[in-house]
Amino acid sequence: GNSVTQMEGPVTLSEEAFLTINCTYTATGYPSLFWYVQYPGEGLQLLLKATKADDKGSNKGFEATYRKETTSFHLEKGSVQVSDSAVYFCALSDRTGTASKLTFGTGTRLQVTL
Amino acid sequence: NAGVTQTPKFQVLKTGQSMTLQCAQDMNHEYMSWYRQDPGMGLRLIHYSVGAGITDQGEVPNGYNVSRSTTEDFPLRLLSAAPSQTSVYFCATKFGREGTEAFFGQGTRLTVV
Repeated sequence: GNSVTQMEGPVTLSEEAFLTINCTYTATGYPSLFWYVQYPGEGLQLLLKATKADDKGSNKGFEATYRKETTSFHLEKGSVQVSDSAVYFCALSDRTGTASKLTFGTGTRLQVTL
Repeated sequence: NAGVTQTPKFQVLKTGQSMTLQCAQDMNHEYMSWYRQDPGMGLRLIHYSVGAGITDQGEVPNGYNVSRSTTEDFPLRLLSAAPSQTSVYFCATKFGREGTEAFFGQGTRLTVV
């Protein structure tokens, strides 16, 4: 079946540091890939997505490229801010049965300090 | 425009009690789903619906029932709560059946003692 593997957290960085959160996936079809972010006490919100190989998703300074050859979708940001502190989830969406369903990784907590 | 609304936000149940978690959306989304979030396990799909009158099981359906009588509402029922159902529950909706963006409610934190 489908699965998503993310690096263990927490990740602690100083403000303005470079961020990478690794994500690899296993899927039987041709999934769409997503990064969702969860701020404390809130639900998940879509951060960025990519629907096919070599697509780059980007939003709010975050980027991730869909790499089919390495089955990866690593999240990067050049300069993190304290406000980026949250839990980040990598996910894939693949059609099985009557609808496409999301499969999530376990989440990576990011803490950014001054 | 409220989006996805979940009630209640917090609930404590005794083992064996029943309750219904409510989810309502005002975006006319066809697809609605329930997830549970547990530490170290990410989000796992419980049940989903692709339209009124149509529901299907996800990854962890045991102990939960759902129905979809309207486009707007998708309640999740726990018939006999167990401590293993202590979790944070999220309702999520999508415009259609395919791999588009999902919109999440703010969650219901349930504790079963």
